[in-house]
Amino acid sequence: DVKVTQSSRYLVKRTGEKVFLECVQDMDHENMFWYRQDPGLGLRLIYFSYDVKMKEKGDIPEGYSVSREKKERFSLILESASTNQTSMYLCASSPYLRYEQYFGPGTRLTVT
Amino acid sequence: QQQVKQSPQSLIVQKGGISIINCAYENTAFDYFPWYQQFPGKGPALLIAIRPDVSEKKEGRFTISFNKSAKQFSLHIMDSQPGDSATYFCAASRAGNMLTFGGGTRLMVKP
Repeated sequence: DVKVTQSSRYLVKRTGEKVFLECVQDMDHENMFWYRQDPGLGLRLIYFSYDVKMKEKGDIPEGYSVSREKKERFSLILESASTNQTSMYLCASSPYLRYEQYFGPGTRLTVT
Repeated sequence: QQQVKQSPQSLIVQKGGISIINCAYENTAFDYFPWYQQFPGKGPALLIAIRPDVSEKKEGRFTISFNKSAKQFSLHIMDSQPGDSATYFCAASRAGNMLTFGGGTRLMVKP
């Protein structure tokens, strides 16, 4: 079974803090993704990576950055957290040129 | 601008009934249309998917109907069960791995 794990289930941070969300997958997948999930808006892609050290912007990259130093690990960074970044963050992975994405359980981030 | 529009946002169905969720898309380059199911506290998981060269795909109680000319597709859940209560997302992808998701439908099946 594919397993995608995220470092925290719940996180509370203050405005202006730097926030790191970590994601690890154990299936040697080439592609990794970060989404945010908000009611009524579905899942929106923040960034994705198709290889180590490679990254591409998704639909809503503003205020976020990512890092992929190892194939199995993909980090999402909020450089200076703001209240409008309060959301559920989901990480996913998929094999190269395969459509099915495997999701982690999500991190619910609250920025106060 | 949402490229994949999903309706309804919420749905209540009696046990044994049929649940129907609809999605419409704009980009004719999309070539893969999956449905994901998400239970509370879990990430979404692939439920069923279809490519535009077929009009229907059935897996157990779940059926995707696809209308290429109307740029619409729908999920039908036959004999809906309380265990089907979840949030459902339609999505679309083109030539690769990126998915564009609809807004989601929260389904509740009443016993």
